[in-house]
Amino acid sequence: NAGVTQTPKFQVLKTGQSMTLQCAQDMNHNSMYWYRQDPGMGLRLIYYSASEGTTDKGEVPNGYNVSRLNKREFSLRLESAAPSQTSVYFCASSEFEKQETQYFGPGTRLLVL
Amino acid sequence: GENVEQHPSTLSVQEGDSAVIKCTYSDSASNYFPWYKQELGKGPQLIIDIRSNVGEKKDQRIAVTLNKTAKHFSLHITETQPEDSAVYFCAASNPSAGGTASKLTFGTGTRLQVTL
Repeated sequence: NAGVTQTPKFQVLKTGQSMTLQCAQDMNHNSMYWYRQDPGMGLRLIYYSASEGTTDKGEVPNGYNVSRLNKREFSLRLESAAPSQTSVYFCASSEFEKQETQYFGPGTRLLVL
Repeated sequence: GENVEQHPSTLSVQEGDSAVIKCTYSDSASNYFPWYKQELGKGPQLIIDIRSNVGEKKDQRIAVTLNKTAKHFSLHITETQPEDSAVYFCAASNPSAGGTASKLTFGTGTRLQVTL
């Protein structure tokens, strides 16, 4: 039982390049989330998916798109990366009926030059 | 929307002493308050949580208290050990804010250092 896994662990992009961050969970959770973490700002919600087939914007969605591929997988795409998107990105999942604990992946560290 | 403030941003204590981290929230409808611990290079991990129908909860050396009237909650770590050194985040959740998803608003984190 791996929990929440994220790929890649680290990525360097040039301004304007695109990339997709992958996330998968094996806990049969219904809800999944993408956060970014910046120094002094805690974790900020980018997008979330309450259940398979639905996605909603969080606090900081601009410049990102998401896809809930199936119940297990939730990807985050940067279409045209900007230096302001340099951050650590975390994926999380939760069991929606309990509306509680979110389980986090190990994170993807992204550097945009 | 919800706003969570967390203090202090850094905290240094000697091994064996207690550590207290405080958070305030703005949305009176929030009813779930978890605390996460993040070690260097890892994702946040839940260490304890409390719901609005409870005033205090303990788990070994860790306790959380909630004052709904004042809209603040605190994390208490007793008999601190070097392995308690990490960044701690509080969060608050309003059950109606995210539909069926547990939409959390996080504080900005407290870096706890336990010195020998």
